Amino acid sequence: DIQMTQSPSSLSASVGDSVTITCRASQGINNWLAWYQQKPEKAPKSLIYAASSLQSGVPSRFSGSGSGTDFTLTIRNLQPEDFATYYCQQYNNYPLTFGGGTKVEIK
Amino acid sequence: QVTLRESGPALVKPTQTLTLTCTFSGFSLSTSAMCVNWIRQPPGKALEWLARIDWDDDKFYKTSLKTRLTISKGTSRNQVVLTVTNMDPGDTATYYCARSGVWGTSCTNWFDPWGQGILVTVSS
Repeated sequence: DIQMTQSPSSLSASVGDSVTITCRASQGINNWLAWYQQKPEKAPKSLIYAASSLQSGVPSRFSGSGSGTDFTLTIRNLQPEDFATYYCQQYNNYPLTFGGGTKVEIK
Repeated sequence: QVTLRESGPALVKPTQTLTLTCTFSGFSLSTSAMCVNWIRQPPGKALEWLARIDWDDDKFYKTSLKTRLTISKGTSRNQVVLTVTNMDPGDTATYYCARSGVWGTSCTNWFDPWGQGILVTVSS
């Protein structure tokens, strides 16, 4: 199975900050990577697919990059509604696997 | 608008079989490039993909759980069913169904949208 490692596991930031979350795959996954946002007691919401393609309706302050084994999710101008947990997911190989999550908290 | 909703028991006993139903609207699983997945999340933990069923009845399973999982189309045309045999307290989780994203003329393996989830507790 491909292991997905996210870092950091949590971070504190203020409204208006920019934050970057890293996701590393244990083997190359081309650009077959997705990012999700999950708020407490809610289902995950798709943000990005194919490493850098923004889902319809997702604000442009979210961006993704990377290829191969190293990927990043950047949130610019952090808004109050962005405080949540973020997960990466690879879909290059079965079984599909997720990272452990990064919790973005208010400083 | 595409929506999905999970239903099933909130509590099962160890060794029992869990049967969950995903009822969806806004698309047809008879249409090419439509696929539905099951994903679970133990309390406070990360997400775990379990299974996928395609419009043409192709099925994919998490290898380590394959002997315990069955995904199928339901008796209603807008339903997908997941059964998990021999439930264990370690299977306690919120179970989600989600549609696969569409990439060209195929379904792909990101998930959008998701159902609201159903918490299933395994306890005697």
